[in-house]
Amino acid sequence: NAGVMQNPRHLVRRRGQEARLRCSPMKGHSHVYWYRQLPEEGLKFMVYLQKENIIDESGMPKERFSAEFPKEGPSILRIQQVVRGDSAAYFCASSPTGTGGLNEQFFGPGTRLTVL
Amino acid sequence: GDSVTQMEGPVTLSEEAFLTINCTYTATGYPSLFWYVQYPGEGLQLLLKATKADDKGSNKGFEATYRKETTSFHLEKGSVQVSDSAVYFCALRSGGGADGLTFGKGTHLIIQP
Repeated sequence: NAGVMQNPRHLVRRRGQEARLRCSPMKGHSHVYWYRQLPEEGLKFMVYLQKENIIDESGMPKERFSAEFPKEGPSILRIQQVVRGDSAAYFCASSPTGTGGLNEQFFGPGTRLTVL
Repeated sequence: GDSVTQMEGPVTLSEEAFLTINCTYTATGYPSLFWYVQYPGEGLQLLLKATKADDKGSNKGFEATYRKETTSFHLEKGSVQVSDSAVYFCALRSGGGADGLTFGKGTHLIIQP
């Protein structure tokens, strides 16, 4: 059973370009979470999605960032007009059901975004 | 808001030494507490967890006890191995119904043979 997959593992963008990060949850998981890890910081929660629904986006920056989890295909975290401060590791996690119970979140290896 | 504070690293120990990584938290309600481990180039893996006061989580020789009175969840292992070298993250999920986990900054553990 493959784990959570993220691609690309490394992404380099110039300021002003768009970054698209992909996350395929574990088989059978319908809940996805995105986290960002800035240098020397812990992971910060960004957004929680179920298929075709954003459940909690309380950690998402108000501008330039968006996320989706379509009925078919991976979850996408999209960053428009990237700036150097967006350079970070972005982690995706999935769980089989929601957070009502103590459902473990399984993490992917992360995408390391570097903005030049 | 919720927060997790863990000891700064790197922590360097010799093989077979005793390990303690301190973790304290502030949270609303009655949080669930976790330790995650991250090996180089990999994602985070759940190491152990505890859901209520005085619960002890354990796995692979690691232990942590949920101490409500001191708001702590310190990670311990009696005899570390070189293969335990990794970054360890303490985390919580608030009892207030938040969906995401709140993480500490991580502690880099280096075990020397």
